[in-house]
Amino acid sequence: NAGVTQTPKFQVLKTGQSMTLQCAQDMNHNSMYWYRQDPGMGLRLIYYSASEGTTDKGEVPNGYNVSRLNKREFSLRLESAAPSQTSVYFCASSEQAGEAFFGQGTRLTVV
Amino acid sequence: GEDVEQSLFLSVREGDSSVINCTYTDSSSTYLYWYKQEPGAGLQLLTYIFSNMDMKQDQRLTVLLNKKDKHLSLRIADTQTGDSAIYFCAESMSGYNKLIFGAGTRLAVHP
Repeated sequence: NAGVTQTPKFQVLKTGQSMTLQCAQDMNHNSMYWYRQDPGMGLRLIYYSASEGTTDKGEVPNGYNVSRLNKREFSLRLESAAPSQTSVYFCASSEQAGEAFFGQGTRLTVV
Repeated sequence: GEDVEQSLFLSVREGDSSVINCTYTDSSSTYLYWYKQEPGAGLQLLTYIFSNMDMKQDQRLTVLLNKKDKHLSLRIADTQTGDSAIYFCAESMSGYNKLIFGAGTRLAVHP
């Protein structure tokens, strides 16, 4: 029962470095999402993918890119990390709007 | 536009009922959700309600929806220490594969 798997769980980056957060789901869901969670601000949608081959911007897409590699995998890339991108990142998937399953999160610190 | 608001903190005594409130602004929302996040974990769907319903009960959980006031509440009966977590209200619209979350309410249960 893997569900949604995110890697890595923790990461520290220097300003300007790049990295890719990986996400995979084994529930055959069409939709996948990337959120960031900051204290007192809830979860804010960065990007989402309604189906394989499509991606759309969410509320806070600036500084990020995504790739829906196949139906299982949806990656989030930071090309040039900034301290404002210090956050906890969650990947989620769903078969229909709302009933989303979340990964355990990636805690990213940019120094 | 889409906006979901919640109070940030609630403290209750073990055995009492907890009521967590949420307001939303988008009258076209068709699904409203409550998610639970335990420390260091991702979010888990607790329950949801369709916009054509006024109430939904699921064991110790009761969801009330006031569409006129765009107000959603979650009542937890006989609150236990294991209920201590952050509770997120979320809304989505039919046909849109994305969830909009509130900031989350941290529920603290004390003896």
